[in-house]
Amino acid sequence: KQEVTQIPAALSVPEGENLVLNCSFTDSAIYNLQWFRQDPGKGLTSLLLIQSSQREQTSGRLNASLDKSSGRSTLYIAASQPGDSATYLCAVKGGSYIPTFGRGTSLIVHP
Amino acid sequence: DTAVSQTPKYLVTQMGNDKSIKCEQNLGHDTMYWYKQDSKKFLKIMFSYNNKELIINETVPNRFSPKSPDKAHLNLHINSLELGDSAVYFCASSSGRSSYEQYFGPGTRLTVT
Repeated sequence: KQEVTQIPAALSVPEGENLVLNCSFTDSAIYNLQWFRQDPGKGLTSLLLIQSSQREQTSGRLNASLDKSSGRSTLYIAASQPGDSATYLCAVKGGSYIPTFGRGTSLIVHP
Repeated sequence: DTAVSQTPKYLVTQMGNDKSIKCEQNLGHDTMYWYKQDSKKFLKIMFSYNNKELIINETVPNRFSPKSPDKAHLNLHINSLELGDSAVYFCASSSGRSSYEQYFGPGTRLTVT
C-alpha cells in the first residue's frame, strides 16, 4: 500500500528565503505526482503536476522535481512571500489509479 | 466560471439523519472523485468514477453511496449519519483516470451533532 510522507510538517521562515519542501513515497510504480496548496478553509489549488516519465516541472517561482527510483519529490519555492503561507500537499497517483496524499507541510512566511 | 462546484458548502445535521452532497464539474472531465479530509487535515480518497463507472471504492462504510448520473455530476449520499462522519468532503475531477491533474471543488463542511 502506498504511503506518502511530507517533511517538515511545519515551517516558519522570514520573507525572501528560498525553501525546499520534501515528499517521499514508498511505491515507485506511479503515474504522476501532483503538488497542491491549501489555504485555511479552502479547497486545493493545483500547483504542479509531474508525470512519472518527467524529472521536473517549473511554474514561476516554483520548481518541483521527481526522482521516482528513490521515491522522492521536492518542491522548491524561490524568494518566498507572505502570500505563499499555506499548507502544501503532495499526492501520488499509483496502481489502480488510487491517489494518495501526504499530510502536508504547513508554511508560514512572515514579513 | 469553469470549475468544480459543490453544494452545500456547509451542512449541520443530527446523528441518524440522511444527507446528500452534490458535485458538478464543467471542465469536460470524465473522472470524478470524493475525498474526506478529517480534523487533522488528512485527505483520503473515498470513491472515484470514470465515465460513470465506479473504479475506486476505498474501504468506506456502506452508509456512503456515491451516484454518478452523468460524467459531469457525482453525488454522495450518506445514511444514518454518525459523529465520526464530521469532516470536510471534497469533490475533484480529472481528464482520464491516470495521468492528468486533479481539480478540486471548494469542499463541504459536514458537522454531525
